[in-house]
Amino acid sequence: NAGVTQTPKFQVLKTGQSMTLQCAQDMNHNSMYWYRQDPGMGLRLIYYSASEGTTDKGEVPNGYNVSRLNKREFSLRLESAAPSQTSVYFCASMGQGHTGELFFGEGSRLTVL
Amino acid sequence: SQQGEEDPQALSIQEGENATMNCSYKTSINNLQWYRQNSGRGLVHLILIRSNEREKHSGRLRVTLDTSKKSSSLLITASRAADTASYFCATDRGGAQKLVFGQGTRLTINP
Repeated sequence: NAGVTQTPKFQVLKTGQSMTLQCAQDMNHNSMYWYRQDPGMGLRLIYYSASEGTTDKGEVPNGYNVSRLNKREFSLRLESAAPSQTSVYFCASMGQGHTGELFFGEGSRLTVL
Repeated sequence: SQQGEEDPQALSIQEGENATMNCSYKTSINNLQWYRQNSGRGLVHLILIRSNEREKHSGRLRVTLDTSKKSSSLLITASRAADTASYFCATDRGGAQKLVFGQGTRLTINP
């Protein structure tokens, strides 16, 4: 049981380039999330999807777009990367019936030069 | 803005000692959770305590919640080197679908 899988694990971009972070979960969870983690800032919610076909902004959505492709997959896109988006990105999922427990992927470390 | 504030930011103790971390929050909650993050890894759920509970245990973990003070504590007893990690509290801020995390406590267990 793989849980939550994120790709890529590492990526270096130049300012202005675009890229998509992929996330897939095999636990049949309804809700999926993208967080970013910066030193001293904890985790901040970028976007989330409560169910297939719905997405909502979190605390720091500017500069990002998301797609809930199906129940399993939730992607995060940076259209024009900026150095301020250098961070570690975590995808997570939450199952229906779970009282709010999140299951996390291993993270994607993104550097924007 | 962050909902949870952990205290201390860093804690270093000897193996076998107990470790206590605290979390304060600002708004009403339905539940509060604690997560562990080993270096370079994702977060792992440890324990959840509901707003109508005052104390909860899981193995060597003990969590307390004081809703009147809007604070929680995580106690790890008889610490081990493997407990070295960052620990985060997270609250639902009144809504089950969105967890808001604190900045974390970095715990180091010295052998």
